[in-house]
Amino acid sequence: QKEVEQNSGPLSVPEGAIASLNCTYSDRGSQSFFWYRQYSGKSPELIMSIYSNGDKEDGRFTAQLNKASQYVSLLIRDSQPSDSATYLCAVLNSGGYQKVTFGIGTKLQVIP
Amino acid sequence: DTAVSQTPKYLVTQMGNDKSIKCEQNLGHDTMYWYKQDSKKFLKIMFSYNNKELIINETVPNRFSPKSPDKAHLNLHINSLELGDSAVYFCASSLRGGQPQHFGDGTRLSIL
Repeated sequence: QKEVEQNSGPLSVPEGAIASLNCTYSDRGSQSFFWYRQYSGKSPELIMSIYSNGDKEDGRFTAQLNKASQYVSLLIRDSQPSDSATYLCAVLNSGGYQKVTFGIGTKLQVIP
Repeated sequence: DTAVSQTPKYLVTQMGNDKSIKCEQNLGHDTMYWYKQDSKKFLKIMFSYNNKELIINETVPNRFSPKSPDKAHLNLHINSLELGDSAVYFCASSLRGGQPQHFGDGTRLSIL
């Protein structure tokens, strides 16, 4: 069973701080990784995708990937109350069926 | 303008009934998905179609039957509804399998 592990939280950070969201995965052959944001009662929306080791930045968001450690993270700089949501880590499984496995999600609360 | 649209948004019905959920995408994507998100918010793949061909069929009761009349549409029919079927069902699409996914707004199914 290919798994994606996240701490369900809630993770509480003060407004303006850096929020750090972490994810580990079990499928060593995975090559594609995604972060989705889901507001309460809404559908998931893609924030970032990352395919290579290292950092990828997009505005206030930075995704970090370390395939050797099977670890992917999302940093949110200058956190805003509007960032309060559940962040889902998703991993494309190896094996040819193009199946994406989602983690349980980390609930982030940004305190004004 | 809606990229991935699902109908209905809400479905309240009794145990034993049969119901269908419809999904349409206007993004020109080749791959479509059905996910179930239960009360614990875990997002789990049910089915995936690539250009009308079933490519992922997870361990889902036979009461669930997907149908893709063309690559822009993916419907889900559920027979003999049970209490455990209560959940939010999301349709999603991606350019190809394993690519970032765009989600519909979800169908909240409640079984009385």
